[in-house]
Amino acid sequence: GAGVSQSPSNKVTEKGKDVELRCDPISGHTALYWYRQSLGQGLEFLIYFQGNSAPDKSGLPSDRFSAERTGGSVSTLTIQRTQQEDSAVYLCASSRDRAEAFFGQGTRLTVV
Amino acid sequence: DAKTTQPTSMDCAEGRAANLPCNHSTISGNEYVYWYRQIHSQGPQYIIHGLKNNETNEMASLIITEDRKSSTLILPHATLRDTAVYYCIVRVGRAGNTPLVFGKGTRLSVIA
Repeated sequence: GAGVSQSPSNKVTEKGKDVELRCDPISGHTALYWYRQSLGQGLEFLIYFQGNSAPDKSGLPSDRFSAERTGGSVSTLTIQRTQQEDSAVYLCASSRDRAEAFFGQGTRLTVV
Repeated sequence: DAKTTQPTSMDCAEGRAANLPCNHSTISGNEYVYWYRQIHSQGPQYIIHGLKNNETNEMASLIITEDRKSSTLILPHATLRDTAVYYCIVRVGRAGNTPLVFGKGTRLSVIA
């Protein structure tokens, strides 16, 4: 089937606005991860969903960031009151029990 | 805390073997060693993983020392397309336990 799909691929927003980023994982994958990558930097873990367990939110940088995963499938990452330092590529990945994670191509967020 | 130490960068001549080292001296008995790579402007790509035995697939070989405190990823015949940042990650094997946390990785440059 298709790989991990993220939308939009690019998003430009004004400082202070809210944004929603979407991730469609591979069908049947129970684990879903969100990361962000600022220009020239490594991957920063944000949040991890695994089945029906409570998500691991330990990487969320502030309470402006939140994520949901509805029906164990699609996930939405929401950033409220965006700041310029939120500008980055936001990457989503999913995996099954083998833990081999497959990544989407990311959403490039630019806050102006 | 990514639990691994890798050189910041390495060069390799095209057609030669690329040997990328990783130290993971605090690895636990139930933690696997995973390797991913990220080619510029793309999402990370899974390469290989192992527990204690050496592993080989169509992309690479993974050599893990007997004490499991270090490992080496081998790309047998590096090409220009192998230029990427390579990440070594230790993690409990089943997806249900812990998120996938990336360190800074090794930037491999394959030179013609």
